[in-house]
Amino acid sequence: RKEVEQDPGPFNVPEGATVAFNCTYSNSASQSFFWYRQDCRKEPKLLMSVYSSGNEDGRFTAQLNRASQYISLLIRDSKLSDSATYLCVVWGPGAGSYQLTFGKGTKLSVIP
Amino acid sequence: EPEVTQTPSHQVTQMGQEVILRCVPISNHLYFYWYRQILGQKVEFLVSFYNNEISEKSEIFDDQFSVERPDGSNFTLKIRSTKLEDSAMYFCASSESAGGDYGYTFGSGTRLTVV
Repeated sequence: RKEVEQDPGPFNVPEGATVAFNCTYSNSASQSFFWYRQDCRKEPKLLMSVYSSGNEDGRFTAQLNRASQYISLLIRDSKLSDSATYLCVVWGPGAGSYQLTFGKGTKLSVIP
Repeated sequence: EPEVTQTPSHQVTQMGQEVILRCVPISNHLYFYWYRQILGQKVEFLVSFYNNEISEKSEIFDDQFSVERPDGSNFTLKIRSTKLEDSAMYFCASSESAGGDYGYTFGSGTRLTVV
């Protein structure tokens, strides 16, 4: 049973494109939701929290649908520097303990 | 910007040896964590620590693992007798609150290679 599931990609998009990532989570008791970004062999870095009302940070828009347990991330006007793996992360009870649970990530390559 | 510091960045050890991975969390954070990531796989929770004791741990965190906060700044992960399958990137993280309100701040990791 995959707790947080993402399309692994890779997504190869040209600069300036709009790209969307999707994520589903299995535990309805999950309480907080995030997108993290991870560059190759680096640590995960918080990109943004995700709220049911939807939230935007510059070119990035995140959305949460608690009823369908679905999270999305939209990146507009992609830059070369957006190339990374995007991790869908939920916080809540998992395997008996409260923790951040990570998806395996979706790899994005933005091509000149 | 405050950061979580981890040392060493890379450790190579022989199977069966003990290793200690070190972390300095953000100074005003009270909650500390260890996660690991085997190459090509997802980031996995190991343990959380608060008020000088373990608050949560995963199935991965068996008797060969231990954590300690030996002084006011360091937070360590000890693996007593390393196995080949312990080879992974180990990330320390810290947070202001117990809840996941603001996410966690991760250190840059220690790459452990067991040979």
